[in-house]
Amino acid sequence: DTEVTQTPKHLVMGMTNKKSLKCEQHMGHRAMYWYKQKAKKPPELMFVYSYEKLSINESVPSRFSPECPNSSLLNLHLHALQPEDSALYLCASSQAPGVQETQYFGPGTRLLVL
Amino acid sequence: AQSVTQPDIHITVSEGASLELRCNYSYGATPYLFWYVQSPGQGLQLLLKYFSGDTLVQGIKGFEAEFKRSQSSFNLRKPSVHWSDAAEYFCAVGALLGAGGSYIPTFGRGTSLIVHP
Repeated sequence: DTEVTQTPKHLVMGMTNKKSLKCEQHMGHRAMYWYKQKAKKPPELMFVYSYEKLSINESVPSRFSPECPNSSLLNLHLHALQPEDSALYLCASSQAPGVQETQYFGPGTRLLVL
Repeated sequence: AQSVTQPDIHITVSEGASLELRCNYSYGATPYLFWYVQSPGQGLQLLLKYFSGDTLVQGIKGFEAEFKRSQSSFNLRKPSVHWSDAAEYFCAVGALLGAGGSYIPTFGRGTSLIVHP
């Protein structure tokens, strides 16, 4: 099973709302990632978790708050977002940090901020 | 720093025709190279990858890619395109980032494949 699941598929939120995106994998992977993808652009790395610890934050604004409660689950908490944050948010996982990793991507959550 | 160039923004082919999507990379060490495909509104699916060994790599859905170190290229090919292959294709090079030793793909801008019936 090489599946990464993401919920919800779609999310509409106002600029004052608080919402969360969820990502789950049951492949025993120990590295998990959040990406942001705008239309017609490649994915941009936001965060990397290695063994449930945040290892990379690509200078993401604090209105995005990641959380990794356990090795299978990754959340992205959203608060006071801006319309320009509307995008497809992709989660990915890989076996472990280190050499020869292959990332497996989820289907994404399409976020619209009004 | 590593980078990936996909020189073609769009490629149009007829169904049944052969396909080649170009990818050039820049990386100081031995590259880890990937091709991903993304259908509209979907996540990325790994087509194939190259880490070492045979420079001709076979992937899913009938795709293959050839690593040419002398040309810093990793072009994707398919002998006969199907209408369902219409999608966005991303080439990526895996680069070591962070103190934790994570290899993170740096993506090219993507090539949009249009298939005519």
